[in-house]
Amino acid sequence: DVKVTQSSRYLVKRTGEKVFLECVQDMDHENMFWYRQDPGLGLRLIYFSYDVKMKEKGDIPEGYSVSREKKERFSLILESASTNQTSMYLCATMTGYTGELFFGEGSRLTVL
Amino acid sequence: AQSVTQPDIHITVSEGASLELRCNYSYGATPYLFWYVQSPGQGLQLLLKYFSGDTLVQGIKGFEAEFKRSQSSFNLRKPSVHWSDAAEYFCAVGENDYKLSFGAGTTVTVRA
Repeated sequence: DVKVTQSSRYLVKRTGEKVFLECVQDMDHENMFWYRQDPGLGLRLIYFSYDVKMKEKGDIPEGYSVSREKKERFSLILESASTNQTSMYLCATMTGYTGELFFGEGSRLTVL
Repeated sequence: AQSVTQPDIHITVSEGASLELRCNYSYGATPYLFWYVQSPGQGLQLLLKYFSGDTLVQGIKGFEAEFKRSQSSFNLRKPSVHWSDAAEYFCAVGENDYKLSFGAGTTVTVRA
């Protein structure tokens, strides 16, 4: 089974802090994704990566950056957290284009 | 740009009754279509997908979905609901560039 592990399930940060969300996968999938999930809005793609050191913007990249230095690890960075970034963040992986995303359990971020 | 509409925010169904969740998409060509489920406290899981071929698709947990090009719809059905089907369901549409667009989700409550 694919395992996608997000390092923090719950985080509370203050406005202006730098926030790192880590995601590690153990199945050698090329593609990794960061989504945010908000009630009434579903999932929205922030960034994705199809290879090491490669990244592409999703639908809502503003205020976020990503890093993929190793194939198994994909990090989401909030350079200066704001209250409107309070959300559930979901990491996912996909191999090839099967359309099947494997999700982590999510990181719930609260920015005060 | 592709988009997905799930008209029903919340559906309540009795255990043993049938369930149908609606999904409409906006996309120029034939899209790739997906249904994902998020059970309470768990990550999202793929239920089924449609790429081409037979327009009636079978998935896991006894679910099926039918692609209707004329109606731009991909509705999810289950003949007899179990209490464990209480969850949030997301329809998604994709092209071949890995970017899936998700609907806002439908929450299903199952009453005894």
